[in-house]
Amino acid sequence: GAGVSQTPSNKVTEKGKYVELRCDPISGHTALYWYRQSLGQGPEFLIYFQGTGAADDSGLPNDRFFAVRPEGSVSTLKIQRTERGDSAVYLCASTPGLAKAGELFFGEGSRLTVL
Amino acid sequence: GNSVTQMEGPVTLSEEAFLTINCTYTATGYPSLFWYVQYPGEGLQLLLKATKADDKGSNKGFEATYRKETTSFHLEKGSVQVSDSAVYFCALSDEAAGNKLTFGGGTRVLVKP
Repeated sequence: GAGVSQTPSNKVTEKGKYVELRCDPISGHTALYWYRQSLGQGPEFLIYFQGTGAADDSGLPNDRFFAVRPEGSVSTLKIQRTERGDSAVYLCASTPGLAKAGELFFGEGSRLTVL
Repeated sequence: GNSVTQMEGPVTLSEEAFLTINCTYTATGYPSLFWYVQYPGEGLQLLLKATKADDKGSNKGFEATYRKETTSFHLEKGSVQVSDSAVYFCALSDEAAGNKLTFGGGTRVLVKP
């Protein structure tokens, strides 16, 4: 498709379970970002990839969160031992590269609810 | 660290009214400033940007001027339409902080016919 695609759009899980969220960026975009948006708040940065490597993972809240981008395209955000406080909308965005830093193309997000 | 503060909503207006959403920022470097918009049921999208002091970003009738002296980037539109109902986010990107976006909390705008 033409835009950033995120799956699933909605995920309900139980406390303690493992969750994977997938992001398919715009074709040719080298930079990929993950953000988390809690209800009524602005998006908060989690991690940023340039190509296959995580260039900045300073926003990951703890070691239960991990993200990969093995072939420099699709990325997966992985959350282990989910907690109720992890409930949020997880946003993925991509951009052609640092030349357009800040001009991100966002997906519609994956809404995670932890019961 | 970097931060963005914007006025809380919701802001409710009548069609053709003037809209202002205040945004101020704190940054360690020389940031670029952005307004993003989230229409109902859609993803965030870039509305406008400004990359240096005194620059004016504009798009779809919206404008914002980068004011370094007041560390502000207020969003304005002279005559709003019902279709402008959305949540608006002010954000900054700072090369010193790796170019990642720092967002404000968002302002919900509701335009009534």
